[in-house]
Amino acid sequence: GAVVSQHPSWVICKSGTSVKIECRSLDFQATTMFWYRQFPKQSLMLMATSNEGSKATYEQGVEKDKFLINHASLTLSTLTVTSAHPEDSSFYICSATGAGTTVYEQYFGPGTRLTVT
Amino acid sequence: DAKTTQPPSMDCAEGRAANLPCNHSTISGNEYVYWYRQIHSQGPQYIIHGLKNNETNEMASLIITEDRKSSTLILPHATLRDTAVYYCIVRVPNAGNNRKLIWGLGTSLAVNP
Repeated sequence: GAVVSQHPSWVICKSGTSVKIECRSLDFQATTMFWYRQFPKQSLMLMATSNEGSKATYEQGVEKDKFLINHASLTLSTLTVTSAHPEDSSFYICSATGAGTTVYEQYFGPGTRLTVT
Repeated sequence: DAKTTQPPSMDCAEGRAANLPCNHSTISGNEYVYWYRQIHSQGPQYIIHGLKNNETNEMASLIITEDRKSSTLILPHATLRDTAVYYCIVRVPNAGNNRKLIWGLGTSLAVNP
């Protein structure tokens, strides 16, 4: 089956610094990738949708200048949290879909736990 | 996409069947029912999906009522590793470039030894 990886699996950073999270599709071409955020005991909240080679579409309330998304290739999307603050601490999950994927469409990465101190 | 309603939590004894209900009374004729689960601190995992016929795969069975307003996910022999949050989502597959999944709070299933 289609596999999506994320790196790193967890990261701790200091307030004010930037953190980059990678999402890779390992065995298929991901024409579309989604980035989610999940706070403890809450559901997944979609942050943005990115199509390869295009600018990401952000959900209402998500700051595009704070959460920079790049989807420059069919196998890699990155999410950069700029000037991170403790309230950005969360579980970040990506998913991908694309050519050759089946009708259930989205394959999820294992998630990245971000802690901002 | 239609809204779904699920009980917040359920318990099940190990080895017994776990039956997880989902109400989707406003489902449209072209919307499918999808089930995902999320084990603690992991990404979601696809389980099964269906339109109107009952479906079965190696993980679970999906029973959809004739009026399609509700469905039940059945884990026939629950194990401790099935402890997770289970999400029921209804949507139109391959809906153009917008393939957003709308996530509710799901059902937290605890499988007890």
